[in-house]
Amino acid sequence: AQSVTQLGSHVSVSEGALVLLRCNYSSSVPPYLFWYVQYPNQGLQLLLKYTSAATLVKGINGFEAEFKKSETSFHLTKPSAHMSDAAEYFCAVSEWGAQKLVFGQGTRLTINP
Amino acid sequence: NAGVTQTPKFQVLKTGQSMTLQCAQDMNHEYMSWYRQDPGMGLRLIHYSVGAGITDQGEVPNGYNVSRSTTEDFPLRLLSAAPSQTSVYFCASSSLTENTEAFFGQGTRLTVV
Repeated sequence: AQSVTQLGSHVSVSEGALVLLRCNYSSSVPPYLFWYVQYPNQGLQLLLKYTSAATLVKGINGFEAEFKKSETSFHLTKPSAHMSDAAEYFCAVSEWGAQKLVFGQGTRLTINP
Repeated sequence: NAGVTQTPKFQVLKTGQSMTLQCAQDMNHEYMSWYRQDPGMGLRLIHYSVGAGITDQGEVPNGYNVSRSTTEDFPLRLLSAAPSQTSVYFCASSSLTENTEAFFGQGTRLTVV
């Protein structure tokens, strides 16, 4: 069975600082990995995805993530936080494409002015 | 471009009542799924479908029924609502290919009293 652990349910950073959201996964097969963002009272929007191509994946809004098989990690980073980045972020894993996604518990990102 | 449309956006039910959450997509996606989102638990898969006439259970199927008579629609039925079903429900769709993403609706916030 697959699983995802997001370290830290709440992360707070200053505007302009580095954003690092941690995601570790467990999978018995090569995983497909996703980061989604959820703004208040909205659905989930894809930030980026890893589908066995390049290990460094660039997404929207300046976010990127690196797939590290040896560490079973897929951490999300952004060099400089913006106030508009305040949201909840979810890491998810699947065995194929976007089917039967297994989500982490989410990380709420707060940006301090 | 509507994407995934969920209705209603909000609903309050009394314990024991039944209702259907509607989900429709206009992207001709074969795969559709329902998730529930609860605080601190991320999103959990309720039911999913890989095409018209084909449905299967996810992680938390008890108390919910689904059917898929058309490619576009995937309703979720609560037969006898319980307070434990108070949650935010999301419908998602995607293609069955490898390099794809799940598209989410805006969610239905359900309260069972």
